[in-house]
Formats: sequence, C-alpha cells, structure tokens
Amino acid sequence: EVQLVESGGGLVQPGGSLRLACAASGFTLSSYTIHWVRQAPGEGLMWISRIDQDERKTQYADSVKGRFTISRDNAKNTVYLQMNSLRADDTAVYYCGRDWRYKVDYWGQGTLVTVSS
Amino acid sequence: QSALTQPASVSGSPGQSITISCTGTHSDVGGYNYVSWYQHHPGKAPKLMIYDVSNRPSGASDRFSGSKSGNTASLTISGLQAEDEGEYFCSSYAGATIPFVFGTGTKVSVL
Repeated sequence: EVQLVESGGGLVQPGGSLRLACAASGFTLSSYTIHWVRQAPGEGLMWISRIDQDERKTQYADSVKGRFTISRDNAKNTVYLQMNSLRADDTAVYYCGRDWRYKVDYWGQGTLVTVSS
Repeated sequence: QSALTQPASVSGSPGQSITISCTGTHSDVGGYNYVSWYQHHPGKAPKLMIYDVSNRPSGASDRFSGSKSGNTASLTISGLQAEDEGEYFCSSYAGATIPFVFGTGTKVSVL
C-alpha cells in the first residue's frame, strides 16, 4: 500500500526554523517527483515546492523561495522541507504528495505548522 | 497563483446527483486536460477520485464522474450516499513554473 507520512510540524516562533519530513512506503521513492503543498487556516491549498527524482531539479513558490529548501534521501525513502525564517503567514497544514503524470496521486495526512510568539 | 473557484457547499438527498464546478483560466483548467478531483476528510490524506478530467483510478467508485468545458471542470456524484459527505477539491496542472493550482474546496452534505 502506498503511504506518505508527514512529520516535524509544531509551534515555532517567528524567525525560527523547522524541518518537515515526508516518509514514503509501498513504492520506490527514487522513481517519483514529490511535492509539498500547504493549506493555511480558512484558505485553499497552495503548491510550494517540488523535487524531481534525481534531485537535480527543485522548484519553489515565490512566497517561500530563499527561505525553504527541499531535499530527499532516497536511501531513507524520505523527502524533507527545511523551513527557515518562518513568518506568521507560513502557518498552515503542510502536505506532501507523489507526482504521477501531471497529478498528485497520493497524499499524506498533513502536519500542522504554527508560527506564533 | 490564483486558486480555482469552487462553490463553498453543495448538498443533496441520498440517491440524488450533485455537481461541483471548478473554474479556472486558460492557463490552467482551460489549457490542459489534467484536472483532478480529490475527496478530503479532516485529518486524513486526500483521496484521488478523478484524474485527467474524466478518468477514475482503481478504487474510486463509478458513481463519480468528471468533465470539462472551456475553463470550467465539473465533478458529478451520482446516487449520493452518506459516505460521500466531506470536502472535495479540484486541481489542475498549470505549467512548468507553478505545476499545480488547487480549488477553494467544496463541502458536500448529504441531507
């Protein structure tokens, strides 16, 4: 069974850092592009980052560029999202998703990040 | 990236059919046949119900169907059942720079 499980969320002060993890099981992570998507309270989902299979290509939404870094460890079947210089408007549930031919076919259940003093 | 527009809520009685719309632009919904629909219950992983506008993945009920006309995609749930309650959101491929845009979400209630 394909599963993605996010972890690492929590409460952090403005300006702080968190590292989210997306652990994959039931498939070979190295064969897939993985995306991070977030949903702020009361808002819709927003794409924020992707990393391709071979890790050479990464992309970021403008709102997180320069502050967030996506990476992957295929040996550990895990994708990471390092989030620095966090702001209040980064507060959201963060989801990872597996890319398959122009869609996300599997998602994790999400992890909540709250940025507040 | 602008969100795709969905109605906030749609409701129907058991056995009825309901349709949820998802309106975008020529840069996303209208430009690609890569619209997906997801069912999402709070605290759980979203589940893919429709992909590539009108295709159903294995495991999705055949009561779910999708279509598209111009910049608007639609999800129809036929023979509405209590288990269909939840939130539904659409997604469209939007190109190389921002690969996906998502709908605002629709809460489906079974009366």
